[in-house]
Amino acid sequence: DAGVTQSPTHLIKTRGQQVTLRCSPKSGHDTVSWYQQALGQGPQFIFQYYEEEERQRGNFPDRFSGHQFPNYSSELNVNALLLGDSALYLCASSPKSGRPNTEAFFGQGTRLTVV
Amino acid sequence: AQSVTQLDSQVPVFEEAPVELRCNYSSSVSVYLFWYVQYPNQGLQLLLKYLSGSTLVKGINGFEAEFNKSQTSFHLRKPSVHISDTAEYLCAVSVRSGGSNYKLTFGKGTLLTVNP
Repeated sequence: DAGVTQSPTHLIKTRGQQVTLRCSPKSGHDTVSWYQQALGQGPQFIFQYYEEEERQRGNFPDRFSGHQFPNYSSELNVNALLLGDSALYLCASSPKSGRPNTEAFFGQGTRLTVV
Repeated sequence: AQSVTQLDSQVPVFEEAPVELRCNYSSSVSVYLFWYVQYPNQGLQLLLKYLSGSTLVKGINGFEAEFNKSQTSFHLRKPSVHISDTAEYLCAVSVRSGGSNYKLTFGKGTLLTVNP
């Protein structure tokens, strides 16, 4: 079982650019959540996808958008990058929504640096 | 809205000493509580979780935590730490947030540094 896989592992972008991060959930999981972890902070919830729809969203601007594919994999898109978007972006997968996040598995993260 | 407070941003200890990492939460509804560990440049690994039942929860790597509803706390403990326990420890609460959806709210983390 490969667990949760994220790509790329590291990324450097320029202010104003757009970026796409990718996540493949753990086998048997169909719910994907994205978190942003700034340096020295705990992860902040961005949004959650289930059945290819955004089910809930944290306090992030519309520049942050996502998508879930029929195979449950997911993308996080960030437009008009700001220096403050520099962070570790974590993807977490869990079994069908409707249960507490008892089995949220996290990927290794994508380190995004905006210069 | 729920929130999680980790009272110590850094905790230095010597090898084989006991350690307690503190976590308090606020929520108006029933909660599920978690401790995750994060090694440098890695994702999060679940240490232990409290869902219901016994308030003393045992996890991996010799860690345990006690849920205290009256004090809204979920402190993490280990009787004897190793150098390899050096890492960031994150406390989180999972609460139903609309329909049947749950999300995790994290504290800011505690950096545990074990010195020889």
